[in-house]
Amino acid sequence: DTAVSQTPKYLVTQMGNDKSIKCEQNLGHDTMYWYKQDSKKFLKIMFSYNNKELIINETVPNRFSPKSPDKAHLNLHINSLELGDSAVYFCASSQDKAAYQPQHFGDGTRLSIL
Amino acid sequence: AQKVTQAQTEISVVEKEDVTLDCVYETRDTTYYLFWYKQPPSGELVFLIRRNSFDEQNEISGRYSWNFQKSTSSFNFTITASQVVDSAVYFCALRVYNNNDMRFGAGTRLTVKP
Repeated sequence: DTAVSQTPKYLVTQMGNDKSIKCEQNLGHDTMYWYKQDSKKFLKIMFSYNNKELIINETVPNRFSPKSPDKAHLNLHINSLELGDSAVYFCASSQDKAAYQPQHFGDGTRLSIL
Repeated sequence: AQKVTQAQTEISVVEKEDVTLDCVYETRDTTYYLFWYKQPPSGELVFLIRRNSFDEQNEISGRYSWNFQKSTSSFNFTITASQVVDSAVYFCALRVYNNNDMRFGAGTRLTVKP
């Protein structure tokens, strides 16, 4: 019954590798997001998709590429991982892209780069 | 530009004490939305409340209450008779009308001791 689910929950890998994080929501929402939470707990939006179209692309490195096969899924692929990519990545969704819509978050994926 | 400031980095109280978490925001927009989220030690982000800029009514939900004051650009959160389960990091967030960027404060870590 999980509303927004991310896999994997933990990801430990070496510098230079490529990895993906998957996200699925069963809420029927139109809009999905990816956030990065650093070691100081600061949350910053990375991407947003509305009905499979990118509507935000914050200043993240182009090594990060979101992919949305349908509106229930928003995956995050990261190429050539760097030490600074270590963080917790949160997927979220909202009913639509309206600013008043609360966002519902997944449990997060803790990415550790060795 | 939008900004959210949570000046209290950490707060520690003893069970049954009341505690107020401060949130001050900055925006030039007249239509905006404020949110509070809770991040317990397990790591997930839980939506608590949303307020609209045109509705300054305070809100109470059980032991939780929120005080929205446009005159001071504040949206403070009070927990009455705190419990150990209230221990978490609490985030205040701001999103303006027609903007897809949700700006989070740095969070306040609340520890409730038995």
